[in-house]
Amino acid sequence: DTGVSQDPRHKITKRGQNVTFRCDPISEHNRLYWYRQTLGQGPEFLTYFQNEAQLEKSRLLSDRFSAERPKGSFSTLEIQRTEQGDSAMYLCASSLATSNQPQHFGDGTRLSIL
Amino acid sequence: TQLLEQSPQFLSIQEGENLTVYCNSSSVFSSLQWYRQEPGEGPVLLVTVVTGGEVKKLKRLTFQFGDARKDSSLHITAAQPGDTGLYLCAGFPFGGFKTIFGAGTRLFVKA
Repeated sequence: DTGVSQDPRHKITKRGQNVTFRCDPISEHNRLYWYRQTLGQGPEFLTYFQNEAQLEKSRLLSDRFSAERPKGSFSTLEIQRTEQGDSAMYLCASSLATSNQPQHFGDGTRLSIL
Repeated sequence: TQLLEQSPQFLSIQEGENLTVYCNSSSVFSSLQWYRQEPGEGPVLLVTVVTGGEVKKLKRLTFQFGDARKDSSLHITAAQPGDTGLYLCAGFPFGGFKTIFGAGTRLFVKA
């Protein structure tokens, strides 16, 4: 069973560096979501793709954040000039595009900014 | 702003006890999901409820969607240490695509 996979699982970097995370969704899923989760909180929506089109971005997503899904399959999330407040778990989820389809999550990338 | 409030935020019980956690909103949702998340892992889907008043059972877990589709509950019978985790409810609004998550109930079951 190939679920949603995320790479890397952990990333430690110094403040000011750029980082990029990758998400491979379930192959037949055309919707892909990025979330951020901090300790003690539920996931917060960042952005969403349907196929290769990025259809919505949260106000949480500052201009230092960019996400792509160039071929409608895998997606990348890049954070430029990282800040300590960016430390969090970054979760990717995918789903089918029909109504009420639940999202299936990867195990996330835990980002720690020194 | 659509919000989902979960209660309690934290629950610590002994093995064998029963418990109920709640997920409430002033908004109406077309469906609601419950997830369980363990430390260092992503949320794992437990159930989706779609119809108002719907009840679904998954072994010792019973999920109910409120008649008005604004709230849900999760009841666990005879809790076991393996039930320990963060329980998240998530609502899918009508005509929307963006799932709204609650902050979760952290459950700890002591052996």
